[in-house]
Amino acid sequence: AQSVTQPDIHITVSEGASLELRCNYSYGATPYLFWYVQSPGQGLQLLLKYFSGDTLVQGIKGFEAEFKRSQSSFNLRKPSVHWSDAAEYFCAVGASQAGTALIFGKGTTLSVSS
Amino acid sequence: GAVVSQHPSRVICKSGTSVKIECRSLDFQATTMFWYRQFPKQSLMLMATSNEGSKATYEQGVEKDKFLINHASLTLSTLTVTSAHPEDSSFYICSARRSGRDTDTQYFGPGTRLTVL
Repeated sequence: AQSVTQPDIHITVSEGASLELRCNYSYGATPYLFWYVQSPGQGLQLLLKYFSGDTLVQGIKGFEAEFKRSQSSFNLRKPSVHWSDAAEYFCAVGASQAGTALIFGKGTTLSVSS
Repeated sequence: GAVVSQHPSRVICKSGTSVKIECRSLDFQATTMFWYRQFPKQSLMLMATSNEGSKATYEQGVEKDKFLINHASLTLSTLTVTSAHPEDSSFYICSARRSGRDTDTQYFGPGTRLTVL
């Protein structure tokens, strides 16, 4: 079955500390992987995506993610978290860049403490 | 960047009435749009895929007669929740596919909060 698992429901980090959000996927075909961020009352904003090539992907707002095929993982990282990063983060997988619907994980809520 | 809007952002209706939600791609043409539903503290679940000029493709378990989707133009898709009931209360999010020579990305709308009394 195709699925995305985000093991951490809620994470709290101190401002300035590093962050890693976990994502594991199960997908029958070559996966296209995405990370989205959703602020309260807002739509989803694409942080980064991976299709092929370099397994370390750089995104917006200082985020990066690493694709590890052997672990079926696509973890999101940021070296220094800002208070404005507090939001809901969703990992998603699809069969193509955009032509097919995405399968989303349940999300991880990030809180940032001062 | 590309912008997708949804209208209304919030709607409250009585049980048994119908509600129409619009999804517009403001600065690009979208042959494909997707409708998702998000329950509180849950992930987005795909309801249907909407292709301009053709019938929508619904996911298993989604009632096509209850959730009517129309993609009449390259910039507009509508979702009508017919005879709404309290269990239909949810956050509905659309996305639009923007494809071109150098890009192929889904852009998400801000969502519509539906509350059925």
